[in-house]
Amino acid sequence: DIQMTQSPSTLSASVGDRVTITCRASQSISSWLAWYQQRPGKAPNLLIYKASSLESGVPSRFSGSGSGTEFTLTISSLQPDDFATYYCQQYNSYSRTFGQGTKVEIK
Amino acid sequence: QVQLVESGGGLVKPGGSLRLSCAASGFTFSDYYMSWIRQAPGKGLEWVSYISSSSIYTNYADSVKGRFTISRDNAKNSLYLQMNSLRGEDTAVYYCAKDAIGGPHYFDYWGQGTLVSVSS
Repeated sequence: DIQMTQSPSTLSASVGDRVTITCRASQSISSWLAWYQQRPGKAPNLLIYKASSLESGVPSRFSGSGSGTEFTLTISSLQPDDFATYYCQQYNSYSRTFGQGTKVEIK
Repeated sequence: QVQLVESGGGLVKPGGSLRLSCAASGFTFSDYYMSWIRQAPGKGLEWVSYISSSSIYTNYADSVKGRFTISRDNAKNSLYLQMNSLRGEDTAVYYCAKDAIGGPHYFDYWGQGTLVSVSS
């Protein structure tokens, strides 16, 4: 199985900060990567697919980049609603795998 | 709008069985692959299984292979997960999710989840 590793595991930031989360794949996955946001007690919500395509309805402050084995999710100006846990997910192989998550906390 | 509603979770003893259901609405269910994904308490997301639109293809995580069976009834717009020989490590919230396009890819809609607790 393809392993996905996110860093950092926890990130402390303030409203208005620019935030970057990294996701690394154990082998090349081309651009077959998605990002999700999960708030406590809720289901995950799709933010980005195909590494950099913004899902309809998702604010433009979210952006994704990368290909191959290294990917980033950037929030350009952190808003109160953005304090949550973020997961990457590869779909290069049929056995989809997620990163372990990055929790974005209030500083 | 797309809705996915899971049911069937609960408390079960180790070695027991449980059948989860997911009722889908707001889209043409028979056109899409569907998946089950789980999340153990305080942990991350783990893909469990998928089924193709016409049930021809299924796939399972190694952790559940041989114990869980995914199925669907397109006439009833419903997805199922039969879970047998349950273990403590199967304790999790189980989400039903719609694959975004024709094939196992990313998940554009998720249900609210149903909690399965395996304990004696």
